[in-house]
Amino acid sequence: GIQVEQSPPDLILQEGANSTLRCNFSDSVNNLQWFHQNPWGQLINLFYIPSGTKQNGRLSATTVATERYSLLYISSSQTTDSGVYFCAVGSYYSGGSNYKLTFGKGTLLTVNP
Amino acid sequence: EAQVTQNPRYLITVTGKKLTVTCSQNMNHEYMSWYRQDPGLGLRQIYYSMNVEVTDKGDVPEGYKVSRKEKRNFPLILESPSPNQTSLYFCASSFRPPGQGTTNEKLFFGSGTQLSVL
Repeated sequence: GIQVEQSPPDLILQEGANSTLRCNFSDSVNNLQWFHQNPWGQLINLFYIPSGTKQNGRLSATTVATERYSLLYISSSQTTDSGVYFCAVGSYYSGGSNYKLTFGKGTLLTVNP
Repeated sequence: EAQVTQNPRYLITVTGKKLTVTCSQNMNHEYMSWYRQDPGLGLRQIYYSMNVEVTDKGDVPEGYKVSRKEKRNFPLILESPSPNQTSLYFCASSFRPPGQGTTNEKLFFGSGTQLSVL
């Protein structure tokens, strides 16, 4: 099956700093989503972005499908940005008869005041 | 408010005592799915449903059952829970099943159920 690797595994920032999180995947995908899991455990969908660039406030994401990676940018980070960021990619397997969303292991972001 | 509602939020039970975790969405979503999250293992899919009366196994279906009798509800049933099923469980839904490459596949999660089996 498809492999999904996120980097870095951990990141510590001071409030106001910028950061870039990366998601690499091993095969072609037609579905890529970024999620934020806050310290209370809630999973929030940030972006649906199988290709191209999107922006939502201080967050933006870029997926270069041909090179099999996606980047999540967080600018002017705030303490409320703390938590785990997951990417999930969707691909067919078993000769194209089945489809699956595979999650990466996540990046743990800590933003200190 | 559009949302995926899971209940209960926390559950402590004993080995072998049947339990049900409910999941309901009010967004007319076709696709619903259950995941479990464990430290070091990430999110793993248990079961999913493409539509009413259509369910299929995910990566870790053993010990679980589901049903999809109505579009909005997708309960997760543990007939005889065991300690290795202690985990954080999430229900998720999307307007369309993943695979076509459209924004209708954006996945929305419930708040999670922390289950402890003693």
